[in-house]
Amino acid sequence: QVQLQESGPGLVKPSQTLSLTCTVSGGSISSGSYYWSWIRQPAGKGLEWIGRIYTSGSTNYNPSLKSRVTISVDTSKNQFSLKLSSVTAADTAVYYCARVDDYSIDYWGQGTLVTVSS
Amino acid sequence: QSALTQPASVSGSPGQSITISCTGTSSDVGSYNLVSWYQQHPGKAPKLMIYEVSKRPSGVSNRFSGSKSGNTASLTISGLQAEDEADYYCCSYAGSSTFPYVFGTGTKVTVL
Repeated sequence: QVQLQESGPGLVKPSQTLSLTCTVSGGSISSGSYYWSWIRQPAGKGLEWIGRIYTSGSTNYNPSLKSRVTISVDTSKNQFSLKLSSVTAADTAVYYCARVDDYSIDYWGQGTLVTVSS
Repeated sequence: QSALTQPASVSGSPGQSITISCTGTSSDVGSYNLVSWYQQHPGKAPKLMIYEVSKRPSGVSNRFSGSKSGNTASLTISGLQAEDEADYYCCSYAGSSTFPYVFGTGTKVTVL
């Protein structure tokens, strides 16, 4: 059974960079044809795709965030990571890491709340 | 790339059937049979309920079914139960021109 777990600071100051890591267990991040993704959800609002990465390292980012987002993968640690720069209060949300199997998300992390505040 | 449109809320009594719509465009829902549906209980991560318009993952109740007509996909919950009260989101593949996926706006299902 694949499991995903987000980790990182729960509080980030405005204008700084938000950094999160997703650790995958129960299977190799390199096996199979999966995209590994980040999705966020502001309190009381809907889901928003941030971006995805393939184990080859190829990435796709939501155009609305593209200029501030970097997603990377470390296959040796079975992890992938998110960096979101120049954050504002609008970036306060629960951040989920997830595995995309073909065209649907079959595994999700439990989510981690990141608050942007001074 | 705009979010897919879902009704904000749908309600029904136990045992009834309800349907949630998910309206997109000819660039996403209308072009691909790649719509998925997710159930999210408060404070929890979403859970995959339907993929590729009408397929159910192992372990998902057959009370949940999906369909699509034109640019609109639908999720039907039959025999509504108290545990079905949750938020539901659709998601569609949108091709590779910008970003390949788009979520719906979400629907709150209330069991009366």
